Amino acid sequence: GESVGLHLPTLSVQEGDNSIINCAYSNSASDYFIWYKQESGKGPQFIIDIRSNMDKRQGQRVTVLLNKTVKHLSLQIAATQPGDSAVYFCAHGRGLTGGGNKLTFGTGTQLKVEL
Amino acid sequence: DGGITQSPKYLFRKEGQNVTLSCEQNLNHDAMYWYRQDPGQGLRLIYYSQIVNDFQKGDIAEGYSVSREKKESFPLTVTSAQKNPTAFYLCASRGRANQPQHFGDGTRLSIL
Repeated sequence: GESVGLHLPTLSVQEGDNSIINCAYSNSASDYFIWYKQESGKGPQFIIDIRSNMDKRQGQRVTVLLNKTVKHLSLQIAATQPGDSAVYFCAHGRGLTGGGNKLTFGTGTQLKVEL
Repeated sequence: DGGITQSPKYLFRKEGQNVTLSCEQNLNHDAMYWYRQDPGQGLRLIYYSQIVNDFQKGDIAEGYSVSREKKESFPLTVTSAQKNPTAFYLCASRGRANQPQHFGDGTRLSIL
C-alpha cells in the first residue's frame, strides 16, 4: 500500500501466482483512480483506471477494485510473470468534477517476481 | 509513432545555473503536466497546463517556471532558486477530461 518515506514496500510473489497490490487514499472528493507501472529509468506506464461510479474493472490479466467506503483501491495481477516486476503506483484525482485532472500519487509498491 | 518525448535523458547543472527540460507531444493533447520524482517516492506535481497560453502551479512550483506557447510543447525551467534540483523529472499529457495521463521517459537532472 501507500507509505511515507524512502523505503518502498515490497511484494514478492512466485511466478504464476496472483499478486494483489493495495492502496489507501484520504481524499473523499476523488472520483477517478488509476494504476501505473514504472520500470527502472522509465516513465510510468498506464495499466488501468476506474471511476467512482464503479467498484470493479477488469483488463487483460489485471483487475482494479475500488472500495469508496474505506477509501481503498487494489490492483490484482493474475498469473504474475517476470515481466511484471516493477514499481506500481496508484493515483487519484477529481477528473469528473474538474480540478484539471490533477493526480495525487502514492509512494509505490515494488513487485518482485521470483522464478 | 505518437508519444511524448523528453530531452535530454540526462542533464547536469552547475550551481547558479538555470536549465530547461524539453517536453514535446504529438498526441494532440490539450493538457500537459510536469512532475518531480525523488528516489523511493511517488510523483509530485510541479506545474500543469490545460490549454495553450495558460498554466497553473502544482504542489511544488517554487524554483521552477514553465511556458505553453504551443500545444505540443511544455518546457520546464529549473531555476537557480531551486535549492535541491537533483531528481527525475517526468512530463505527461492528457487528451479529453477524465482520460489517463500518459508519460514520457523522463529527464534525470544532477548537480555538478
